[in-house]
Amino acid sequence: QVQLKESGPGLVQPSQTLSLTCTVSGFSLMDYSVHWVRQPPGKGLEWMGRMKYDGDTYYNSALKSRLSISRDTSKSQVFLKMNSLQTEDTAIYYCTRDSGYWGQGVMVTVSS
Amino acid sequence: DIQMTQSPSSMSVSLGDTVTITCRASQDVGIYVNWFQQKPGKSPRRMIYRATNLADGVPSRFSGSRSGSDYSLTISSLESEDVADYHCLQYDEYPRTFGGGTKLELK
Repeated sequence: QVQLKESGPGLVQPSQTLSLTCTVSGFSLMDYSVHWVRQPPGKGLEWMGRMKYDGDTYYNSALKSRLSISRDTSKSQVFLKMNSLQTEDTAIYYCTRDSGYWGQGVMVTVSS
Repeated sequence: DIQMTQSPSSMSVSLGDTVTITCRASQDVGIYVNWFQQKPGKSPRRMIYRATNLADGVPSRFSGSRSGSDYSLTISSLESEDVADYHCLQYDEYPRTFGGGTKLELK
């Protein structure tokens, strides 16, 4: 069955870079796009960006200067890297396929 | 970017109520609106896709509708398990954008 799972550090220091991995199973990254979405504590959902099945990427304009999404199709993994983290980046980070399948999310806290 | 203005931001409800949540799109997004339910500590769950289609396994008391640029999620005969947060999403254009969310609370 389709599964997505996010992994990464729970704590990142301000100004540092966040690196997250979304490991998928039950489908090929060459057939489906994967998106990243985040949710600050007690707030709404924010779409961050997309890795398309053909390798193309698209980013939220508000994050574009700090955000990079890549993939390794052989490992069925999609990567998110975001630099210059601030406390406002504290959130649960989700990866999702077509918004019909979601990972469990990973909580990332930005704090010294 | 397309703005999805969701209302209300919160709603006090009773079991058995009919509840309607609305998202207004700032420009035409056609049928490309999804609705999600999210319970505390859980990932969002897609309830409605393409504005009016019930996702697999979703109870028939949930429905989606569209009137122009207004998209609505209606829950008929609210049950306790429906008390949650709800979000809309437009996926007609990039960047995709969510509404601000609606929190249902029991009276």
